[in-house]
Amino acid sequence: EADIYQTPRYLVIGTGKKITLECSQTMGHDKMYWYQQDPGMELHLIHYSYGVNSTEKGDLSSESTVSRIRTEHFPLTLESARPSHTSQYLCASSEAGPNEKLFFGSGTQLSVL
Amino acid sequence: AQSVTQLGSHVSVSEGALVLLRCNYSSSVPPYLFWYVQYPNQGLQLLLKYTTGATLVKGINGFEAEFKKSETSFHLTKPSAHMSDAAEYFCAVTWGGGGFKTIFGAGTRLFVKA
Repeated sequence: EADIYQTPRYLVIGTGKKITLECSQTMGHDKMYWYQQDPGMELHLIHYSYGVNSTEKGDLSSESTVSRIRTEHFPLTLESARPSHTSQYLCASSEAGPNEKLFFGSGTQLSVL
Repeated sequence: AQSVTQLGSHVSVSEGALVLLRCNYSSSVPPYLFWYVQYPNQGLQLLLKYTTGATLVKGINGFEAEFKKSETSFHLTKPSAHMSDAAEYFCAVTWGGGGFKTIFGAGTRLFVKA
């Protein structure tokens, strides 16, 4: 089910650069999410959206920002990347309702040097 | 605070052996329970979920899980492991009334030996 797409798959950048991680889904889902995943750790929710023009911060504090101008698009931006931002970022979407499954993208592995 | 605990960051079984991956949660309200699998270089995909009704849930690839409210557990099992089952497995819990309160466990990496 490759209906949620993340680009780039891998990104290596220098400290201080501005980056945007792209996420798009073709399923018409209103809910979208960004999770941060580190090896051996649980996934942490950093941002989510109920729909267009709706964005909220998740449980894990993050210096990133998100926007939701279109239903299918939910990009994540870091204004000034730092080595502490090195991580795997996973985008997901779901239908309405707390018992609906999440559809995940393949992730973006970010390395900040 | 609500939490999800997966016992064992790594589990190793022989091909054909029983797979048992443990998940416990803490919750004061009835939860919705999920198991996701992540293969290398891929995103997570749903194995199975429990919402209401029958407490034994069957999922894809021969996996099943049983919700035990008294034990606050949702362990994942498969009678006979296959090499293709080698992956990372995540237990997740969502509490009703807050669809975004999905909490994931730290994951269990399953190794299958030939």
